[in-house]
Amino acid sequence: QITLKESGPTLVKPTQTLTLTCTFSGFSLNTRGVGVGWVRQPPGKALEWLGLIYWDDGHLDNPSLKSRLTISKGTSKNQVVLTMINLDPVDTATYYCAHRGTPSSYYFDYWGQGTLVIVSS
Amino acid sequence: DIQMTQSPSSLSASVGDRVTITCRASQSIGNYLNWYQQKPGTAPKLLIYSTSSFQSGVPSRFSGSGFGTDFSLTISNLHPEDFATYYCQQSYSTLWTFGQGTKVEIK
Repeated sequence: QITLKESGPTLVKPTQTLTLTCTFSGFSLNTRGVGVGWVRQPPGKALEWLGLIYWDDGHLDNPSLKSRLTISKGTSKNQVVLTMINLDPVDTATYYCAHRGTPSSYYFDYWGQGTLVIVSS
Repeated sequence: DIQMTQSPSSLSASVGDRVTITCRASQSIGNYLNWYQQKPGTAPKLLIYSTSSFQSGVPSRFSGSGFGTDFSLTISNLHPEDFATYYCQQSYSTLWTFGQGTKVEIK
């Protein structure tokens, strides 16, 4: 059974750095083709794809955020970390991590429950 | 970036209705098109991938079609639990992008 769960701060001040952790189970990020991605959703708005890290440490990033966003494997083998610097109130959103399963799957088939991040002074 | 445009943005329908949502890509994306359903306060759920393949457990009243730039999601015989927001997503490019969503409401 594949599960993912996001964790991190709910309230962050502008210009600060956000670190979110995705802790997962039921799969290994060492398996060929597997990836973990991040998607965010501002309140009442549409989904925005942020990026994806693959089993082989390769990654795809949203160019609009690339200079501020880093997705990396965590120190635990079942974790992926999202780091975003220089936060702004427009970064207020629910952040989801999600699973991509095989070399031929270009979609997220399992999602975490999401974690709300509010950027405010 | 490949822009994904869904229409309509919202619609009202009754239980038992047939509903079609369209998604247009700003350039050809082959069949790299996925559909997600999202209910308030919950994470998106994958319904259909690669234009027309069902995710496990998805009812057969959902169907997807299209190729290139024009795609559609059809829900035949709308059930009460189908009232939600639906998003298309392309994964043809290295920047995956979502449509703006279509909210299906109860008439």
